[in-house]
Order: sequence, then C-alpha cells, then structure tokens
Amino acid sequence: DGGITQSPKYLFRKEGQNVTLSCEQNLNHDAMYWYRQDPGQGLRLIYYSQIVNDFQKGDIAEGYSVSREKKESFPLTVTSAQKNPTAFYLCASALSGYNSPLHFGNGTRLTVT
Amino acid sequence: DQQVKQNSPSLSVQEGRISILNCDYTNSMFDYFLWYKKYPAEGPTFLISISSIKDKNEDGRFTVFLNKSAKHLSLHIVPSQPGDSAVYFCAASYNNDMRFGAGTRLTVKP
Repeated sequence: DGGITQSPKYLFRKEGQNVTLSCEQNLNHDAMYWYRQDPGQGLRLIYYSQIVNDFQKGDIAEGYSVSREKKESFPLTVTSAQKNPTAFYLCASALSGYNSPLHFGNGTRLTVT
Repeated sequence: DQQVKQNSPSLSVQEGRISILNCDYTNSMFDYFLWYKKYPAEGPTFLISISSIKDKNEDGRFTVFLNKSAKHLSLHIVPSQPGDSAVYFCAASYNNDMRFGAGTRLTVKP
C-alpha cells in the first residue's frame, strides 16, 4: 500500500533544541517537498528536492535544514535558529517532470515551548 | 510575497447549489494549476488540475476554469454536498516548484 509516512504525528520540544521530522515515501517519486501550515497563511514552501543529493530553498527556508541521501527519505531539521517553529508540517512527493500533483502525508504537529 | 492568493477565507452555500472558489496568481511562469481539499489534522488531497494550455477541465461535479490573461482560476462544485465541507487550497506550479494559496473554508449547509 503506497503512500507517504510522516512521524511522529505530534512532537514536543523545548526552545533551543533542534528537532528532526521524518518523511518516508514508497511511491517511487523523485520529487519531495516540505511545507509549513499556519492559520490564515496556507501552505508555505520550506524546501524541495527533485533528485537525490540535491534540494532547493523555498520561501521560508531560514532556520531549517534538509537532506536527501535516499530517494525514499527527506527528513527536515528544525533548528534553534527558527524563530517560530510551532506549526503543522506537511511532507509531499510527486513524480518528476511537469504536471504532477503532489501527494501529501498526514503531517506532524510540532510544539516548541 | 504570496504568488498565489485566495482572497475569500470562507464561503457558505446551501446543499444542491453551486460553490465557486476563486484564486489569483502573480507569476506568469506558472503552467500547471491544481485544487486540493483538506480536513483538519490531515494532509491535503488532490482534487483536480489544469495545465496552462487549457481553459477548462471537468471531473464529475468539479470543474476548474483558467483565465490566463487575468491570472485567475476558479473551482466550481455542482451540486454542492455537505461532504464537500472542507478547506480548499489552490496551487500553481512551474518546474516542480509548487506554491499554495491560503485556503478557503467551504461550508455546505443541509
């Protein structure tokens, strides 16, 4: 049963700590994405990767880092430099090339106190 | 700088009537446009898409219209059903770089 798995669903961290959100897909998709959702602001692009070992910054990459060592995995690290890390984080994947819809995971709710 | 805008945060319609959700974009490079539906605490699910070479795409009760000169797209749902109640996001893409609007919460009343 193919899909995108984000874990954990809820994550709590203390301010000043780095935290890594997991995203795994078994859809054999080349492209993977991280978005952040805040109330009233929709989905904002953090990073995306079109191929292994390559990724591009989105609109709000500051305070975040990613890696793409395997096609199936695209972990996102929220660093202590991110000023407002509490949010709902969504991972997505898509076939490479043009005109492919994104398939989303069910998200991780990160709360930093 | 929001490249994709949904100016109506909410919309309420009666069951059986038409729902029209609107979206504007600023980047003329976008060549692929999509609508997603989202429930709370879940990821968005793909609904319907249209490429820039078309001006209309239909799938059952859902139709997307694209007006490239106005940089505007809309989603029509006919007839609307209570199960359509959700947040709808429009998205626009160029070369796998996909941007989303802020969403419109649709409520369909029985």
